[in-house]
Amino acid sequence: GNSVTQMEGPVTLSEEAFLTINCTYTATGYPSLFWYVQYPGEGLQLLLKATKADDKGSNKGFEATYRKETTSFHLEKGSVQVSDSAVYFCALSERLGANSKLTFGKGITLSVRP
Amino acid sequence: KAGVTQTPRYLIKTRGQQVTLSCSPISGHRSVSWYQQTPGQGLQFLFEYFSETQRNKGNFPGRFSGRQFSNSRSEMNVSTLELGDSALYLCASTRAGGLYADTQYFGPGTRLTVL
Repeated sequence: GNSVTQMEGPVTLSEEAFLTINCTYTATGYPSLFWYVQYPGEGLQLLLKATKADDKGSNKGFEATYRKETTSFHLEKGSVQVSDSAVYFCALSERLGANSKLTFGKGITLSVRP
Repeated sequence: KAGVTQTPRYLIKTRGQQVTLSCSPISGHRSVSWYQQTPGQGLQFLFEYFSETQRNKGNFPGRFSGRQFSNSRSEMNVSTLELGDSALYLCASTRAGGLYADTQYFGPGTRLTVL
């Protein structure tokens, strides 16, 4: 079956530091890949997505590239802010067909110090 | 466009009771999915509804059920509540119906506490 593995957390960074959050996946087909972010007390917000190999998703300074050869979708940001403190989830869904089910990684908590 | 709305936002129940949670999808979205989020198990898929039919189901006991109405609004029901059902229940909607799976947009969730 499908699965998503995220690096262990939590992660604590100083403001303006570089961020990398690793995500690898296992899927039988050709999945779409997502990063969702969850702020305290809220639901999940879509951060970015990529639907095929070599696609790069980007939003709010965050980027992730769909690497089929390494089955990875690592999240990066060049300079984090205190407001980026949240929980980040990597997820996949089957791209073809009517199956909208998302498979999530365990999530990683990011704390950014001023 | 209004986002996904969920009601109520918070619920406190006791063991053995049942509970119904409601979800209104984004206007024009026809698919609604439900997820359970707990600290131990993370985010787990419960089920998906499309055009009033359950299209996909996760690995949860039969105490968890749902339905979808003709206006795409969805409800999920948990009967005979157990302490382990305490969780954040998230609803997500997609346009759906096409060849490719669409992006899911989430509501704020309903926090259920079982005492």
